[in-house]
Amino acid sequence: GAGVSQTPSNKVTEKGKYVELRCDPISGHTALYWYRQSLGQGPEFLIYFQGTGAADDSGLPNDRFFAVRPEGSVSTLKIQRTERGDSAVYLCASSPSRRGLGETQYFGPGTRLLVL
Amino acid sequence: GDSVTQMEGPVTLSEEAFLTINCTYTATGYPSLFWYVQYPGEGLQLLLKATKADDKGSNKGFEATYRKETTSFHLEKGSVQVSDSAVYFCALTKSNFGNEKLTFGTGTRLTIIP
Repeated sequence: GAGVSQTPSNKVTEKGKYVELRCDPISGHTALYWYRQSLGQGPEFLIYFQGTGAADDSGLPNDRFFAVRPEGSVSTLKIQRTERGDSAVYLCASSPSRRGLGETQYFGPGTRLLVL
Repeated sequence: GDSVTQMEGPVTLSEEAFLTINCTYTATGYPSLFWYVQYPGEGLQLLLKATKADDKGSNKGFEATYRKETTSFHLEKGSVQVSDSAVYFCALTKSNFGNEKLTFGTGTRLTIIP
């Protein structure tokens, strides 16, 4: 079946612009996570959705970052007034969330964001 | 807070060599431990996992044992292949009402030479 998809695969923008990054999780997966991976680093958690609600947004770096998942499926990560330091690969992952221990997360290919 | 420290790379080995990539963690309670792998041009994928102390995760000839006494989850393979060339990430999670956000190490780039 289809995996997690993310669009666009690459995004180049100018400092100060607004961007939206989209994630299409695996069908039926209720849990959705966003991570950010800077060059040479491991992914860092941004936000977790259970269904439509953001259950944990403790990883969002500041109020320029916002994410939604209005129908409990597709999610959009929104970044306002982009800064050069926002340049990174943004990863989305989903899981069935059967509330078992150590549930596998399935990652998308990522969106590579470059802020000039 | 929780953290994962893994062996810095890059690591270069000859084909059929023995591989160890060290991973230690700092966390309260009882985390689940993972190794994720990122092959060139592909997304992150789960390699193996262990959810409690003394569990051994295994997949594709790779193994790692959850050692609570040394807070470690070292990745091993007896005979590596060129196709094992990738970046390997150690990670942990602590389930909290279904929230399984992952804390990753910085990654170890492995290159296998024929």
